[in-house]
Amino acid sequence: DQQVKQNSPSLSVQEGRISILNCDYTNSMFDYFLWYKKYPAEGPTFLISISSIKDKNEDGRFTVFLNKSAKHLSLHIVPSQPGDSAVYFCAASALNNDMRFGAGTRLTVKP
Amino acid sequence: DAGVIQSPRHEVTEMGQEVTLRCKPISGHDYLFWYRQTMMRGLELLIYFNNNVPIDDSGMPEDRFSAKMPNASFSTLKIQPSEPRDSAVYFCASRDRSGNTIYFGEGSWLTVV
Repeated sequence: DQQVKQNSPSLSVQEGRISILNCDYTNSMFDYFLWYKKYPAEGPTFLISISSIKDKNEDGRFTVFLNKSAKHLSLHIVPSQPGDSAVYFCAASALNNDMRFGAGTRLTVKP
Repeated sequence: DAGVIQSPRHEVTEMGQEVTLRCKPISGHDYLFWYRQTMMRGLELLIYFNNNVPIDDSGMPEDRFSAKMPNASFSTLKIQPSEPRDSAVYFCASRDRSGNTIYFGEGSWLTVV
């Protein structure tokens, strides 16, 4: 039962343009959402998060948007850089317990 | 802080053999998670512990999989007997009681031939 879904397995963008990664969830109890970034042969690392009481959180080039009514969140990276090329995982947790992840989206930023 | 430490980093084993993966969480963290990464399902939660007690093991795929946490600084994930379809990267992660962010180890790459 995939409670967190990332329907795009891959995304390719040009350097300097915006990257938009999408995520949908089904569990209305989720109250905290995160994005993790993973390089090959490394563990995922935390990138940015948002609480369900907010609809936007920004950190430098990275912004996460949350639409609770649609059970949808997105990660915007602008401007995209070649070093951003990685697999991005969307994650969600409920009541600070376990954390569920999506299948990941492989982002490629072309120079 | 050394972060979450996993061993072995890589293991190749024959079908039917027992596999034991090990994890040392970040000191002071109360929660420990075991995930499996596959192409089809991404990061799949297998089991998690709170204060060394298993809370939810519904993600453990079969009885061949078992996990223990004998103390706050050590956990094992065991597969017996192993099968080729168990080949994946297994991640351990930990979190403290107040935080929302979990921290991952570098993973154990398992290949069962």
